[in-house]
Amino acid sequence: GQQVMQIPQYQHVQEGEDFTTYCNSSTTLSNIQWYKQRPGGHPVFLIQLVKSGEVKKQKRLTFQFGEAKKNSSLHITATQTTDVGTYVCAWGTYKYIFGTGTRLKVLA
Amino acid sequence: NAGVTQTPKFQVLKTGQSMTLQCAQDMNHEYMSWYRQDPGMGLRLIHYSVGAGITDQGEVPNGYNVSRSTTEDFPLRLLSAAPSQTSVYFCASSSGDRYTEAFFGQGTRLTVV
Repeated sequence: GQQVMQIPQYQHVQEGEDFTTYCNSSTTLSNIQWYKQRPGGHPVFLIQLVKSGEVKKQKRLTFQFGEAKKNSSLHITATQTTDVGTYVCAWGTYKYIFGTGTRLKVLA
Repeated sequence: NAGVTQTPKFQVLKTGQSMTLQCAQDMNHEYMSWYRQDPGMGLRLIHYSVGAGITDQGEVPNGYNVSRSTTEDFPLRLLSAAPSQTSVYFCASSSGDRYTEAFFGQGTRLTVV
């Protein structure tokens, strides 16, 4: 089945540094969603991208969908300790395929 | 508003025992699904349902059974628990509108000894 690869698997950053996670697919995706999962918690929806080349921002978070709709990225500017968690990409409508996630640790 | 409610939150089973993980949603969502989450592997789809009376297998269905008699409930049954089923299980629902997001329950942490 179609897989969505996510890199890196782990990232430790100093508070105030930037962070980026990437999601890559071998085939064209209809959409891409991003979720955040706090330690011990459940995935919570952040945003969805549908159009080729789409860019969306949520405060310090910037989400991009590639021109070929095969990759996506999530960039966090000036990380804070509240950003700690696992960021997971997914695609689908009701049957979702999830990436493996990037676990972010922020050192104060 | 409750959203998606899963019970229990924690469970320890002995090998060979059976049990049912409960999932209920109060958002009138058509689509419901079960995922398991293992370290380094992300969320993998076990079974899903596109409406009452309709279920289908996902990526890792072996050892699990589901049924959907009502729109609200989607229980997951472990027929004969095995240590390989030790995992965190999440139930999710979505409205079925095009490109809608998934709403997740709090999860059930299951250990099979």
